[in-house]
Amino acid sequence: GQNIDQPTEMTATEGAIVQINCTYQTSGFNGLFWYQQHAGEAPTFLSYNVLDGLEEKGRFSSFLSRSKGYSYLLLKELQMKDSASYLCAVRKTGGSYIPTFGRGTSLIVHP
Amino acid sequence: GAVVSQHPSRVICKSGTSVKIECRSLDFQATTMFWYRQFPKQSLMLMATSNEGSKATYEQGVEKDKFLINHASLTLSTLTVTSAHPEDSSFYICSATSGIGELFFGEGSRLTVL
Repeated sequence: GQNIDQPTEMTATEGAIVQINCTYQTSGFNGLFWYQQHAGEAPTFLSYNVLDGLEEKGRFSSFLSRSKGYSYLLLKELQMKDSASYLCAVRKTGGSYIPTFGRGTSLIVHP
Repeated sequence: GAVVSQHPSRVICKSGTSVKIECRSLDFQATTMFWYRQFPKQSLMLMATSNEGSKATYEQGVEKDKFLINHASLTLSTLTVTSAHPEDSSFYICSATSGIGELFFGEGSRLTVL
């Protein structure tokens, strides 16, 4: 199986930068996803990393190190609407498109 | 981007009744759809993988006779919770793959069984 670990909860201030870490253990890595989920809503896609390095997309960036089994999601210029749960999901090789989700990190942004 | 529509968004039913939830891919053909369940403050738990024209593949611990999944066309999959009980109350979410295997999620359906 896959073990995916991410902090349960984080708090940050509006306008600041926050980094949400995700570590994983899997046999046959085939991509890591980050999703944002507001309370009572379905997750929305944020990023996908399959090679090492940093992928930047506006205020959000995602980093991957396959050798370390480590990823982070970086959120800049935090806004109140960024308060949500952030889910790290890992996909294995073997033909399945199904990623396994971590428990998610609940981010609270305060003024 | 790809759109997946799920209906109904909220449903309340009496214990012992059955509830059907629909999941539609609106602008792409989804040969495979997935059904998840999420309890409050918990992660998404995969229930089953639904393949068009064949039987669904259920995850360990998920009762296939209780959670009936039908994938009759390339754009529609349904989940029927049969003989629902209060412990079945949860947030049910469908998703479908597109392109690189990125998952697009439906809006989710919140089921409350009284």
